[in-house]
Amino acid sequence: EAQVTQNPRYLITVTGKKLTVTCSQNMNHEYMSWYRQDPGLGLRQIYYSMNVEVTDKGDVPEGYKVSRKEKRNFPLILESPSPNQTSLYFCASSLRPGGYNEQFFGPGTRLTVL
Amino acid sequence: SQQGEEDPQALSIQEGENATMNCSYKTSINNLQWYRQNSGRGLVHLILIRSNEREKHSGRLRVTLDTSKKSSSLLITASRAADTASYFCAPTYFNDMRFGAGTRLTVKP
Repeated sequence: EAQVTQNPRYLITVTGKKLTVTCSQNMNHEYMSWYRQDPGLGLRQIYYSMNVEVTDKGDVPEGYKVSRKEKRNFPLILESPSPNQTSLYFCASSLRPGGYNEQFFGPGTRLTVL
Repeated sequence: SQQGEEDPQALSIQEGENATMNCSYKTSINNLQWYRQNSGRGLVHLILIRSNEREKHSGRLRVTLDTSKKSSSLLITASRAADTASYFCAPTYFNDMRFGAGTRLTVKP
């Protein structure tokens, strides 16, 4: 089944404790991205990747890191999480860059930073 | 900005009625996409309409695009309780794809 998976689905952590949210897709997509969703603000893009070893900042990259060492994986790293990073996070992938075709979204990761 | 702005923010209708949601944007686009999100879950792609298209259908969905007015509408006909969800538009310009805050649709049985 074609899908985007994220882990963990739920995470409660404390300020400053490094964490990684994994994202994997099995559709051989070149383009992957991370979004955060906050009430009233819609989805805002954090980082995106056009292909292996090619990543770039989205609209809200501060406090986040990403890497794309393999085509299928695009982990999101929070080196020192803060409470303002409490949010619902989505990974997405598409065959080509975001605007040209449909994006497939993962189920989301609900992160709480205390 | 490229970001879509949906209107209304919330819509409540009875099962069987039609639901219309609108999206406005401010800059040129290549295409515009609509997505649905069930509570707390990932977004699901509904339809993509290109800038040179005026109308597109998919099952009970009808999307229109008016580039002169920089607006789009999503019509869901004969709504069902299962259509209860948030709906987002995403105007896109090359790589740039910006989601709005969405319309929350509630369909009462």
